[in-house]
Amino acid sequence: AQSVTQLDSQVPVFEEAPVELRCNYSSSVSVYLFWYVQYPNQGLQLLLKYLSGSTLVKGINGFEAEFNKSQTSFHLRKPSVHISDTAEYFCAVSEIGRNTDKLIFGTGTRLQVFP
Amino acid sequence: EAGVVQSPRYKIIEKKQPVAFWCNPISGHNTLYWYRQNLGQGPELLIRYENEEAVDDSQLPKDRFSAERLKGVDSTLKIQPAELGDSAVYLCASSTGQGVNSPLHFGNGTRLTVT
Repeated sequence: AQSVTQLDSQVPVFEEAPVELRCNYSSSVSVYLFWYVQYPNQGLQLLLKYLSGSTLVKGINGFEAEFNKSQTSFHLRKPSVHISDTAEYFCAVSEIGRNTDKLIFGTGTRLQVFP
Repeated sequence: EAGVVQSPRYKIIEKKQPVAFWCNPISGHNTLYWYRQNLGQGPELLIRYENEEAVDDSQLPKDRFSAERLKGVDSTLKIQPAELGDSAVYLCASSTGQGVNSPLHFGNGTRLTVT
């Protein structure tokens, strides 16, 4: 079975500062990796995904994530955050080969951007 | 394109009462998901449909929860009777069902409060 650990429940940061949201996963098989964002009172929206190929993945809104197989991590980064990035961010995995539609989510990291 | 539509947005009921949630997926999306998101947690899959067939309901508490997608389009999720622990946000999502190349599109959810 897979599991996802988001080490930080909250990350406060000032506007225009860089940010990194950490995600580690555990799985006995190879996985696909995803980051979703949830703005207040809204559903989840896909930010980016890693399926194969380059380990550095670029997503929407200037976010990027790097897959590190040896450290089983998929940390999300943005070089300069904006107030509008304030939201909940969820890391998720799905199993390659079967049940690829079944996403296992982490507990989320609340990014709070201050002016 | 119109997104995934869920109703109601909010529901407050007393314990032991029944409740139902409705979801209309994006047109042409064959795969539909119901997730439950407890406060401070990531979403957890309850049930997944491919057209009108429930292909994964292993996480659905079948003693009190039921779901249907009779014509393979919109879906309802029912709880009867509701318990205090059912308070959560219930998210519906849909996709074209082409695996990881088909991202999930989430609705804004129904926030259920059981008193």
